[in-house]
Parts: sequence; C-alpha cells; structure tokens
Amino acid sequence: DVKVTQSSRYLVKRTGEKVFLECVQDMDHENMFWYRQDPGLGLRLIYFSYDVKMKEKGDIPEGYSVSREKKERFSLILESASTNQTSMYLCASSKLQGIYEQYFGPGTRLTVT
Amino acid sequence: SQKIEQNSEALNIQEGKTATLTCNYTNYSPAYLQWYRQDPGRGPVFLLLIRENEKEKRKERLKVTFDTTLKQSLFHITASQPADSATYLCALGFQKLVFGTGTRLLVSP
Repeated sequence: DVKVTQSSRYLVKRTGEKVFLECVQDMDHENMFWYRQDPGLGLRLIYFSYDVKMKEKGDIPEGYSVSREKKERFSLILESASTNQTSMYLCASSKLQGIYEQYFGPGTRLTVT
Repeated sequence: SQKIEQNSEALNIQEGKTATLTCNYTNYSPAYLQWYRQDPGRGPVFLLLIRENEKEKRKERLKVTFDTTLKQSLFHITASQPADSATYLCALGFQKLVFGTGTRLLVSP
C-alpha cells in the first residue's frame, strides 16, 4: 500500500519558534508538494519540488521555506512561526511524467500560540 | 486569475438517491480535471481523472462529466450510501493542481 507519512498529526508551537514539518513518501515519486488548508480557502500550494534539491514557489510561499535533500523526504520550515500560520498542513506526492493523481499524507494540524 | 467554484453549502440527500456535485471554473483552459474525496481530519484521496477530450468517465458508482464549453464538471454518485458522506474536491492542472474549496455531501439513512 502506497504511503505518504507526516511527522506529526498535531503540533503546538509558540510565536517566533522555528518549526519543521517532515514528509516522507515510499512510492519513489519525483514530485512532492506542501499545501495548507483553511476553512473557506481550500487547499493552497505553498511549495513544490520536482527533484532532489529543486523547488518552486507555490501561491503562498511567504514565511515558509523547504528542503529536499533526499527523493523520499520533503521538509517544510517555518522560520519564525506566527499565529496566522495556524492551519492544517498537507504533504502530497506524484509521479513526474504524464498526468497522475496526487497522494496525500494525513496532515499536520499546527497551532501557533 | 484562475478560479474554481464549488458549492460551499452542504448537499443533503437520502440514501439510495443520486448525488450531483458541481465544479465551475473561470480564466482557465484545463486539459485535465481530477476529483478527490476528503474525510474530516484526513488528507484528500484521489477518485477520478478526466481529460478534456473525454466527455464522461465512470468508476463503479461514480460518474464524472467534463464540459469545456460550459467550463464545468459534474460529479455523480449513484445509489448513495451514508459512507459516501465526505467533502469532495475538484482540481485542475497538470503537475501543479489548483483545488476548489470542496462541497460537503451528507447522505442520510
């Protein structure tokens, strides 16, 4: 069974802390994505990576950075967490060639206080 | 800018009926459209993909239509069951997807 796993289901951090969200996929997918999901706004793309060490900004990259040192792992970093980054964070992966569905992880609900 | 619209109001139907969900889009000419299901507190799960040259696609009790003239996709669940209760998202794009906000479906026994 294919799997995308995320390091935490729930996370509570304080304003100003550096936060790391980890995502691992076991499908040998080239593409990996980070989204945030908020009520009424839907899923919004933060960053996208199509290969190791490659990244592209999504629609809302401000306040975030990413790291992809290995094919199977894609990390989202909040350099200095703020309360407006309280959200559900979802990681996804997909194949590179052709049109393929995205496989999502279970999500991390992050609360910044 | 690209915009995808799904009915934000929940759709309530009785078990056994057909549920029909709508996805409208503007400022976009997608070659592909995908539908996902999302349960509360979980990540979306892929259901169906339809290409612009396919008018209709079926998978078991699911049917998707894609009308590029109307800029609309319809998602049907026939013989609906309470277990079909979830939020359904449509998504457009190639490698990077743009998602609608989803429509919540509630199927009553």
